[in-house]
Amino acid sequence: KAGVTQTPRYLIKTRGQQVTLSCSPISGHRSVSWYQQTPGQGLQFLFEYFSETQRNKGNFPGRFSGRQFSNSRSEMNVSTLELGDSALYLCASSQTGYRGNIQYFGAGTRLSVL
Amino acid sequence: AQRVTQPEKLLSVFKGAPVELKCNYSYSGSPELFWYVQYSRQRLQLLLRHISRESIKGFTADLNKGETSFHLKKPFAQEEDSAMYYCALSGGSGGYQKVTFGTGTKLQVIP
Repeated sequence: KAGVTQTPRYLIKTRGQQVTLSCSPISGHRSVSWYQQTPGQGLQFLFEYFSETQRNKGNFPGRFSGRQFSNSRSEMNVSTLELGDSALYLCASSQTGYRGNIQYFGAGTRLSVL
Repeated sequence: AQRVTQPEKLLSVFKGAPVELKCNYSYSGSPELFWYVQYSRQRLQLLLRHISRESIKGFTADLNKGETSFHLKKPFAQEEDSAMYYCALSGGSGGYQKVTFGTGTKLQVIP
C-alpha cells in the first residue's frame, strides 16, 4: 500500500497570504489528523477528521482550518499567514481514528513564511 | 487537559549501555500511550504502544499509572537506535483521537 502522501513538500509564502496543504491517507484509512511541528513547541495537534467531520481540534486560532473529502483526502488551510506559522506540517492517517489507533505519518510540508 | 512531558532533550549513551527515555503524562481518564520514533531523514513512525505490551527492537515500555509514567527502556543500546523519540498520549472526546506529543528526546548512541 502506498503511504501517506503530502503535497507540496515545500512552500514559501509571504505574510498575509493564505496557503492550502493537501494530504492523501493510506487507502482504507478514514481518519486524518494534522500536526504542526516546530523546534520550540515540538508536535502540536491541529485537528482530526473522519468521514468529512472534524471530531477534535487543538488550540490554534481560527486562521487554521481544514476539511476532508468523501475519498478521505484532506486539506488544511491557513489564512493571513504570520511569520510564526513557519513550520513543518505533518499529516497522519489511521483506520478509524479511535483512541489507540496507530497513526501513519506523511513526510510533511515545510512552510516558510517571509 | 492532557499533557506529556519528556524532560530530556538529549540523551547520550555509549553503545552497549542501558537506555531509559523518560515520559510522564497528565490525563484525567484512562490513557492510551505510544512511543513514536523518527530516524534521520525518515518519517515519524510507531515504535510501540502500551496496549500491545510488546518489545520492539529490544525496547519496552511499562505504563505506571501511580507515577503517571511511560518510560522507554532498552538494556543494551545500539548505534542504529540513534534517533528522535516522542512519547504520545491519545485522549480526546467521544473516544476519538486527540494526540498530544511530548517535545521529544534525541537519543545519541556513541560507538
